[in-house]
Amino acid sequence: AQSVAQPEDQVNVAEGNPLTVKCTYSVSGNPYLFWYVQYPNRGLQFLLKYITGDNLVKGSYGFEAEFNKSQTSFHLKKPSALVSDSALYFCAVRDAIPGGGGNKLTFGTGTQLKVEL
Amino acid sequence: EPEVTQTPSHQVTQMGQEVILRCVPISNHLYFYWYRQILGQKVEFLVSFYNNEISEKSEIFDDQFSVERPDGSNFTLKIRSTKLEDSAMYFCASSEPTDREDTQYFGPGTRLTVL
Repeated sequence: AQSVAQPEDQVNVAEGNPLTVKCTYSVSGNPYLFWYVQYPNRGLQFLLKYITGDNLVKGSYGFEAEFNKSQTSFHLKKPSALVSDSALYFCAVRDAIPGGGGNKLTFGTGTQLKVEL
Repeated sequence: EPEVTQTPSHQVTQMGQEVILRCVPISNHLYFYWYRQILGQKVEFLVSFYNNEISEKSEIFDDQFSVERPDGSNFTLKIRSTKLEDSAMYFCASSEPTDREDTQYFGPGTRLTVL
């Protein structure tokens, strides 16, 4: 079974400061890891994903995420937060099934990011 | 940039009624999914669909639910007899067959309210 934990319900950060949104995961094999963002009354927008290779993944809007296999973590980061980054962020995981499609994503409970002036 | 679209954006229905939620996946995608998000809770997988068959389904996806690809562009979720607890945001997603990681792209959702 696969699972995701996002330990913080909310993260507050001042604009211009770095931000981190935490995620840890559990899968039976190798993971494919994803971050999605949800703005109010909107759907889930894909931000970035981890596959094999470089542990630092760069994505949309200046976000990046660091994969740490020993700590089973995939924390989302941004060097300088913007007020417009305020949204709900979801980490998701699935097993890296070769040639697989149609496989479910398991989501975390979400972390509300609030960036203030 | 191509997007997944969903209609309607909001559906209000009476308990026991049938509803059909509609989705138009991204045109070259062949894997389709439905997820739901009950207010304040996490996004939950319902079902995945490929080549006119269900690939995987969750425990939530019981006999009251069905999916269909009625033509070359639409993908639908039918709930036969809605219950109060079916009230949620329903998201459609799609992915393309050449994407090894199966990156799923989501639509804006349909908010279903069962009264």
